[in-house]
Amino acid sequence: GAGVSQSPSNKVTEKGKDVELRCDPISGHTALYWYRQSLGQGLEFLIYFQGNSAPDKSGLPSDRFSAERTGGSVSTLTIQRTQQEDSAVYLCASSLVGLASTDTQYFGPGTRLTVL
Amino acid sequence: GNSVTQMEGPVTLSEEAFLTINCTYTATGYPSLFWYVQYPGEGLQLLLKATKADDKGSNKGFEATYRKETTSFHLEKGSVQVSDSAVYFCALKAAGNKLTFGGGTRVLVKP
Repeated sequence: GAGVSQSPSNKVTEKGKDVELRCDPISGHTALYWYRQSLGQGLEFLIYFQGNSAPDKSGLPSDRFSAERTGGSVSTLTIQRTQQEDSAVYLCASSLVGLASTDTQYFGPGTRLTVL
Repeated sequence: GNSVTQMEGPVTLSEEAFLTINCTYTATGYPSLFWYVQYPGEGLQLLLKATKADDKGSNKGFEATYRKETTSFHLEKGSVQVSDSAVYFCALKAAGNKLTFGGGTRVLVKP
C-alpha cells in the first residue's frame, strides 16, 4: 500500500513567517511521529501522537512549534515566526500501534525547510 | 537519558570489502534496536531490527546482533556493493515509543 506522504517536499520561507507542514500516515496506523534532521543536531524527536491520547510534546524545541492530528489521520506541524535555526528536514513517521516497543516506524520522504 | 553512539564516517570501502559499523547504546529498560538507511536523495528506510537480547536482525545481506552485555548492535555486511553507499543510522526505542538515533555513518563504496 501507499507509504507515508509529506507535503510540500521543499519550502523556502522568510524569517518571521509561519509555515505549515503536512503528513499523511499509512492507512490504519494509529501512531504518528515528527522528527527533525539537521546538520548540527542530527535526527531529533519532536512530537508523538497515539490514538486519542494526549500527544507527547517533549521534543518540541520551543513554543513556536505546535502540531495537531485531525481525525486520527493527517497531521500538521506548524512553526510560527520561523528562525534560521529552524532550517532542517522535517520527517514524519507512522506505526501500526505505537504501544509496543517492537513496533516499527515507517518514514516519509521529508519536507526540506529553508528559512532565509 | 537514552543515547546511541555510532562510529563517525565517512567510511570508504572497495566493492566486495567487509563492512562493520559500530553502534553502542545507553538506555533504561529493554529497548528495541534498529538500523535505518538513507540512500542518496531518498528517505529513511528500516534496514533491520532486533527486539530482545541475542536476537539477530538481517536484511539485504546486512546483519546485526543485539548484545545486552556490551550494549551494542554493530552492523555488518560481508561483501558490499556500490549500491550500499548510503548513510546508516543506529536507533533505539525504549519506553515512550520515540526513536533515539545515533549521528549517522556515511558509507561510500567504490567500484
